[in-house]
Amino acid sequence: QKEVEQDPGPLSVPEGAIVSLNCTYSNSAFQYFMWYRQYSRKGPELLMYTYSSGNKEDGRFTAQVDKSSKYISLFIRDSQPSDSATYLCAMKYGAQKLVFGQGTRLTINP
Amino acid sequence: GAVVSQHPSRVICKSGTSVKIECRSLDFQATTMFWYRQFPKQSLMLMATSNEGSKATYEQGVEKDKFLINHASLTLSTLTVTSAHPEDSSFYICSAAGRDTEAFFGQGTRLTVV
Repeated sequence: QKEVEQDPGPLSVPEGAIVSLNCTYSNSAFQYFMWYRQYSRKGPELLMYTYSSGNKEDGRFTAQVDKSSKYISLFIRDSQPSDSATYLCAMKYGAQKLVFGQGTRLTINP
Repeated sequence: GAVVSQHPSRVICKSGTSVKIECRSLDFQATTMFWYRQFPKQSLMLMATSNEGSKATYEQGVEKDKFLINHASLTLSTLTVTSAHPEDSSFYICSAAGRDTEAFFGQGTRLTVV
């Protein structure tokens, strides 16, 4: 079993839809949870960074962490074609290395 | 957010030559730097972790003599692909993190070995 599981998709939704991206994990030691967006042939860009259970909102993006279920989510409201990218969840504890999910390819159709 | 600069963004080299990729943290001290390799439509594969002033820790299956990593200062790490071969062609990405902070990524380097 992988430490972090993420559905690779691809996921295709119409413009304006609410997108839900999810990851599950098995290591209860993880403390820090991140979502990255990666456009083709570019390095990942940090979108959200949380270290506790609950919700964190930033503009159209909401990150949700449920440590009891070992489950994290990223919601994108009012999705735009420019949101089309691969979204990677990542997590770590302390100064340890990041563990990434496989990444979900998302396409927002105009 | 913090800025990590990776250079070059793209390089083409001949088989048998060596290529050096630089990763710099521009506005923070990176106590740890990570080097990843990414194949098309796949996630990032961690190659090695380096802490400033110490030897890099390589992941299983990664040849340390092939992929030389130097982390001489808190703002610079380099990855040298030695005696490159076509199978080394890939997208290489560095990441830098301060102590107990999130990691920031460089823009990646696309290496093509011909």
